[in-house]
Amino acid sequence: QQQVKQSPQSLIVQKGGISIINCAYENTAFDYFPWYQQFPGKGPALLIAIRPDVSEKKEGRFTISFNKSAKQFSLHIMDSQPGDSATYFCAASYRQAGTALIFGKGTTLSVSS
Amino acid sequence: KAGVTQTPRYLIKTRGQQVTLSCSPISGHRSVSWYQQTPGQGLQFLFEYFSETQRNKGNFPGRFSGRQFSNSRSEMNVSTLELGDSALYLCASSIGVIAGELFFGEGSRLTVL
Repeated sequence: QQQVKQSPQSLIVQKGGISIINCAYENTAFDYFPWYQQFPGKGPALLIAIRPDVSEKKEGRFTISFNKSAKQFSLHIMDSQPGDSATYFCAASYRQAGTALIFGKGTTLSVSS
Repeated sequence: KAGVTQTPRYLIKTRGQQVTLSCSPISGHRSVSWYQQTPGQGLQFLFEYFSETQRNKGNFPGRFSGRQFSNSRSEMNVSTLELGDSALYLCASSIGVIAGELFFGEGSRLTVL
């Protein structure tokens, strides 16, 4: 029940295309859903996050869509660029867990030019 | 503003030895958490410290321990190393005590032979 399931494991997208990564969870106590981006040799960095009181959040080319009833959330990267090539992790947390995050297994995105 | 600093960046140990990893959080951040990253299991939460107190602990054996000092710097220790402990150990700091942005260091890469 503590898992966050992420798909696909890897993704290849043409430059200018839309990248979509999906995550699903079981624990309805989760109330914070961030996405992290990690480049090789670096630690993960927060990309965008959402709380369950909204269904969508957009920051630049990155959008989180959140479906509370389906217990799913997704990351959309519009106009994907080669510089977006990285590993993306979805995560979830709940208030009693403090700052502890439960991460999905990650999606390796390659944007071809 | 300096980021999260982890030392050492790379280390090689043999089975049965112990290792201590160090983390200096961003100035002003009082919460420090540790994660283990492996290709198979992804990012897994180890523990979180706030004001020198362990607030949360992940599902790891007692060989994994940590502490936090009064200046918020943190150390984690792994005793009786096993081959499966080979991983990237990431430290993250945050300003608050509830779920929010985590700032990760670049990690300490541990290889156990």
